[in-house]
Amino acid sequence: GDSVTQMEGPVTLSEEAFLTINCTYTATGYPSLFWYVQYPGEGLQLLLKATKADDKGSNKGFEATYRKETTSFHLEKGSVQVSDSAVYFCALPGAGSYQLTFGKGTKLSVIP
Amino acid sequence: DVKVTQSSRYLVKRTGEKVFLECVQDMDHENMFWYRQDPGLGLRLIYFSYDVKMKEKGDIPEGYSVSREKKERFSLILESASTNQTSMYLCASETGGVDGYTFGSGTRLTVV
Repeated sequence: GDSVTQMEGPVTLSEEAFLTINCTYTATGYPSLFWYVQYPGEGLQLLLKATKADDKGSNKGFEATYRKETTSFHLEKGSVQVSDSAVYFCALPGAGSYQLTFGKGTKLSVIP
Repeated sequence: DVKVTQSSRYLVKRTGEKVFLECVQDMDHENMFWYRQDPGLGLRLIYFSYDVKMKEKGDIPEGYSVSREKKERFSLILESASTNQTSMYLCASETGGVDGYTFGSGTRLTVV
């Protein structure tokens, strides 16, 4: 079935460092792909999405490109801030389904 | 903005109590979901509903039931709370699968 594999955390970076969180997927067809963010004590929020191959989703300085050749949707940010400390989840809908399958989540801590 | 509201942010209940977790969404979404989130286990789907009075079991329905009497409201019921149900519970709604889920802020339930 459709699935996502996300890099394990935790990831600790200094402020202004470059961030990459890897996400690869297995899917039938070309589903939409999503990144969600969960700040401490909160629910998940949609961070960005891409609906077709080669699309780039972006929001709050984060970017991810839907790459069908490598079946990847890596999350990147050029300069992280302390306020970016959160757990990040990659997700995609299952084949013929509206249910999202989530990765395990990657905890990011940014230190001043 | 779509709003998904969970009635309580924090709950403390005693073992054996019947517990109701309420979730309301204001955007006429057809599909609603209940997840629990535990460290190291990610998000696990408990139940979901794709229409009023319709429900489907997710991956871990044991010990839980749900109710959806109105389109906007999806309730999770712990019939007899146990300490292993101490967790963060997240409600979500969506329509059509293209825009992903909208999550509530979560309810952190502690069963003592």
